Amino acid sequence: SSGLTQPPSVSVSPGQTARITCSGDTLAVQFSYWYQQKSGQAPVLIIYKDNERPSGIPERISGSNSGTNVTLTISGVQAEDEAVYYCQSPDNRGTGVIFGGGTKLTVL
Amino acid sequence: QVQLQESGPGLVKPSETLSLTCTVSGDSIRGYYWSWIRQPPGKGLEWIGYIYSSGITNYDPSLKGRVTISGDTSKNQFSLNLISVTAADTAVYFCTRNGPQPGDLYFDLWGRGTLVTVSS
Repeated sequence: SSGLTQPPSVSVSPGQTARITCSGDTLAVQFSYWYQQKSGQAPVLIIYKDNERPSGIPERISGSNSGTNVTLTISGVQAEDEAVYYCQSPDNRGTGVIFGGGTKLTVL
Repeated sequence: QVQLQESGPGLVKPSETLSLTCTVSGDSIRGYYWSWIRQPPGKGLEWIGYIYSSGITNYDPSLKGRVTISGDTSKNQFSLNLISVTAADTAVYFCTRNGPQPGDLYFDLWGRGTLVTVSS
């Protein structure tokens, strides 16, 4: 498969740890990237090259890669983390772009 | 700081051409890759294609033949043209900046997006 698969939804209570997975064959050969999209807003890059954080992104947000599966981890979840999270990678040839379907994180 | 702003008609008739422009402020478009990404209502993100400031372009295979991305360094803008639109092209269209290294296929800066509806 050339796509990226994410669970449609994840729910956690405040203060707990949220883990959002993304799987796809391209992840074995390409870096992964994660975006946070709050309701009515543009996406924001929160993780690049598997586990790097852009300036301004808190340390409680992290990424990891284990072959064809990558995970976004948000520790100490806060109400403000409620959003849709998208994983993304270049395609197998590194010439195009693919996105996962998005995971809605609900803070209970 | 660098900002991106999309502009263009919010309503396009079926079979006509969708045209959008992204104006970049706070930095030059030279030396970067710039992309268009769209999001149908209630759905996920779809990459459309990119342009390098030299004019090199690359498009998603699903849209090849209908899409053209062009740039104007004198105006610090880049544009999207999508021909023969249908209702399936209704979406919020985002202009974005690619990562800083040549070949980076991720998006570190986004415009706010503009909704384009295809309807008669």
